[in-house]
Amino acid sequence: EPEVTQTPSHQVTQMGQEVILRCVPISNHLYFYWYRQILGQKVEFLVSFYNNEISEKSEIFDDQFSVERPDGSNFTLKIRSTKLEDSAMYFCASNPRPGVEQYFGPGTRLTVT
Amino acid sequence: EDKVVQSPLSLVVHEGDTVTLNCSYEVTNFRSLLWYKQEKKAPTFLFMLTSSGIEKKSGRLSSILDKKELSSILNITATQTGDSAIYLCAVGGNAGNMLTFGGGTRLMVKP
Repeated sequence: EPEVTQTPSHQVTQMGQEVILRCVPISNHLYFYWYRQILGQKVEFLVSFYNNEISEKSEIFDDQFSVERPDGSNFTLKIRSTKLEDSAMYFCASNPRPGVEQYFGPGTRLTVT
Repeated sequence: EDKVVQSPLSLVVHEGDTVTLNCSYEVTNFRSLLWYKQEKKAPTFLFMLTSSGIEKKSGRLSSILDKKELSSILNITATQTGDSAIYLCAVGGNAGNMLTFGGGTRLMVKP
């Protein structure tokens, strides 16, 4: 069964460093998302992406964040200058069209020290 | 601002028990309500309920959407230890595709 994959599974970085989290959505899906979950808190929407453009973004997704689809398979989330409060599990998700279930990847745990 | 509230926060039952998990929402232009199961890491999809599909069932799991009460329940009958997980409710609203999640219900099923 096709699934969303994410790398790395765990990333440790120092405050102020740039990180890139990678995702490979399911191959025939066209809509891509990033969510995050701070330990013990709710899953929060960050951004949605379709047709090489951001469709929606939350207040969390400020100028420190960017997304890109650099090729036909990868979808990346870049955090330009990490802060301690960026420590969280970051989930990528995808679906083939709006209004149907989103399939989540296994997540990348980001630890900022 | 869209809001999703789940109850109870946590639940401990014994194998064979039946459980009911609750989700209530306040969402602009409701489109769908989804239930996910979160074990170690990724939420895995269980059900999606919409105005045209307010009741879903799969094996021991079933879910109902009450659009009048702006709520949904997830029922699990004859619980097994493998049902132990966090159950997440998420709602899609507005014109976009983003999901708003509740805080989850942590279910522990003891042998």
